[in-house]
Amino acid sequence: EAGVTQFPSHSVIEKGQTVTLRCDPISGHDNLYWYRRVMGKEIKFLLHFVKESKQDESGMPNNRFLAERTGGTYSTLKVQPAELEDSGVYFCASSQVGLNEQFFGPGTRLTVL
Amino acid sequence: RKEVEQDPGPFNVPEGATVAFNCTYSNSASQSFFWYRQDCRKEPKLLMSVYSSGNEDGRFTAQLNRASQYISLLIRDSKLSDSATYLCVVSISGTYKYIFGTGTRLKVLA
Repeated sequence: EAGVTQFPSHSVIEKGQTVTLRCDPISGHDNLYWYRRVMGKEIKFLLHFVKESKQDESGMPNNRFLAERTGGTYSTLKVQPAELEDSGVYFCASSQVGLNEQFFGPGTRLTVL
Repeated sequence: RKEVEQDPGPFNVPEGATVAFNCTYSNSASQSFFWYRQDCRKEPKLLMSVYSSGNEDGRFTAQLNRASQYISLLIRDSKLSDSATYLCVVSISGTYKYIFGTGTRLKVLA
């Protein structure tokens, strides 16, 4: 069974540019999560989708971040415009409905110069 | 105060040793508990869920103490391949989001 996949694996952009990260969850997993790890800090929650609906977006840092999950399959996370402090590793995770065990993708390493 | 606290280590232990990590959490409404393993520049991978009665999976034993709000992970007969960062994770009742500790680094030496 394929795991969670993320694209791209790395992205280097300049401050002020836009970047879109993509996550494909495990097939059949209705729960999809985005997390972020910035340098030297713990991994932090950004938001949670159940199918196409945002269940919890309490971790989104500000309105420069926009997450979507149209059709309830893959999800995108757009950062516009990117700032230096957005640099870090963005992880996506998925889980089955009713189960709390989450499976993580390999992450996208974002560097904003 | 962090919601989930772990000793960052590193713990350097010889092969075959037994090593234990502790983790404390601050929110008494925490309901689900996990240990994840993360190798350098890789994603976190579920090692084991932690149940109230304690649970064991091979060389790994996890315990939960709700009264004192801490979780432990014991690794017996350490292998070189156990070298990694071990992440303590909790989830609060009514939510599915994970709250991570900063992780404890383990290095098993030959």
